[in-house]
Amino acid sequence: DTGVSQDPRHKITKRGQNVTFRCDPISEHNRLYWYRQTLGQGPEFLTYFQNEAQLEKSRLLSDRFSAERPKGSFSTLEIQRTEQGDSAMYLCASSDLSAPTDTQYFGPGTRLTVL
Amino acid sequence: AQKVTQAQTEISVVEKEDVTLDCVYETRDTTYYLFWYKQPPSGELVFLIRRNSFDEQNEISGRYSWNFQKSTSSFNFTITASQVVDSAVYFCALSEAGEYGNKLVFGAGTILRVKS
Repeated sequence: DTGVSQDPRHKITKRGQNVTFRCDPISEHNRLYWYRQTLGQGPEFLTYFQNEAQLEKSRLLSDRFSAERPKGSFSTLEIQRTEQGDSAMYLCASSDLSAPTDTQYFGPGTRLTVL
Repeated sequence: AQKVTQAQTEISVVEKEDVTLDCVYETRDTTYYLFWYKQPPSGELVFLIRRNSFDEQNEISGRYSWNFQKSTSSFNFTITASQVVDSAVYFCALSEAGEYGNKLVFGAGTILRVKS
């Protein structure tokens, strides 16, 4: 299996612009998670999909954030009207509900810098 | 609420020394899972181990070993004969067995520097 992939790896944008990130999970993994990691901290949960259904969202996910997984495969995370506080690494992980261990495997992340 | 504490912010050792990374967790659930992940400078989180709350057996994998003690809510990680390639940030994480998936709660991480 190929691992989780994320695109782009780096994104620099100006405050107020919209950005969109993509995550491709491990093939046939039905669960997909988004996390955010700021410098010197551990990742924090943002949202979670099982197939195409978004089942949980953190209160960290403000109205400017939206995530989709339209066909239960890849997922996108969009941030509208970016703010400097959005600068972080955005990590995607996937797991297989049917596997004996529902272990999350992470992608390389997208590092966002908001100027 | 769930919480994971990694009290050691940074550890420096010389190659071939043994090093233990501490992890203490808080949860009200009786069924939960504990994890360790490694984050090298490249940034990708690499899965190392998963333990469930019913299995307190210690585990050894090569130079890595893990000590799970429910009585002290700790899940410590030991690297024996450390190598420069072990230099990374190590995260301990906790998840609860929920109806809608197992979101992870991470500690702040421990930076391990192994010097040659």
